[in-house]
Amino acid sequence: GQNIDQPTEMTATEGAIVQINCTYQTSGFNGLFWYQQHAGEAPTFLSYNVLDGLEEKGRFSSFLSRSKGYSYLLLKELQMKDSASYLCAVTKAGGSYIPTFGRGTSLIVHP
Amino acid sequence: DSGVTQTPKHLITATGQRVTLRCSPRSGDLSVYWYQQSLDQGLQFLIQYYNGEERAKGNILERFSAQQFPDLHSELNLSSLELGDSALYFCASSTRTNEKLFFGSGTQLSVL
Repeated sequence: GQNIDQPTEMTATEGAIVQINCTYQTSGFNGLFWYQQHAGEAPTFLSYNVLDGLEEKGRFSSFLSRSKGYSYLLLKELQMKDSASYLCAVTKAGGSYIPTFGRGTSLIVHP
Repeated sequence: DSGVTQTPKHLITATGQRVTLRCSPRSGDLSVYWYQQSLDQGLQFLIQYYNGEERAKGNILERFSAQQFPDLHSELNLSSLELGDSALYFCASSTRTNEKLFFGSGTQLSVL
């Protein structure tokens, strides 16, 4: 099976930087997705990491270390609209590459 | 708007009943996924179809079934409903496997 761990909840201040961690244990790891989900809405794609390193996309960056089974999502210049749940999802190679999701981290951004 | 359409948005029914959830994938996407999201379990993969054929199965109960039709829309059938089946059911699509998923807005199922 796959074990994916994320903090349940985080709080941060508008304008600040926050790092959301995700650790995973899975055989045959292929890649890792990050999705954003506002309350009652659909998850939307943020990033996909297959190789080690940092992928930057505007205010959001995602990092992966395959050897450590670790990823993080970095959100800069936080805005109130960034208050949402952030879901880490892992895919395995050699099969249907179905994303298995962690339980998500609820981020609360306050003024 | 992801381009994935799910109907209905809300469904309220009683225990023991049967319901059908419908999903139309993005234009051109051959792969359809069904996920269940509840507060205590998070997003759980149920089943995947690719171009009309079942490709992968997850934690889908025997009371649940799905299919993908020639026009690529998909239906998820839930029968003998129990209180614990109350959840948000998402459909997602992708062009190919191992690509990002585009999620529909979900169907909120309440079993009373």
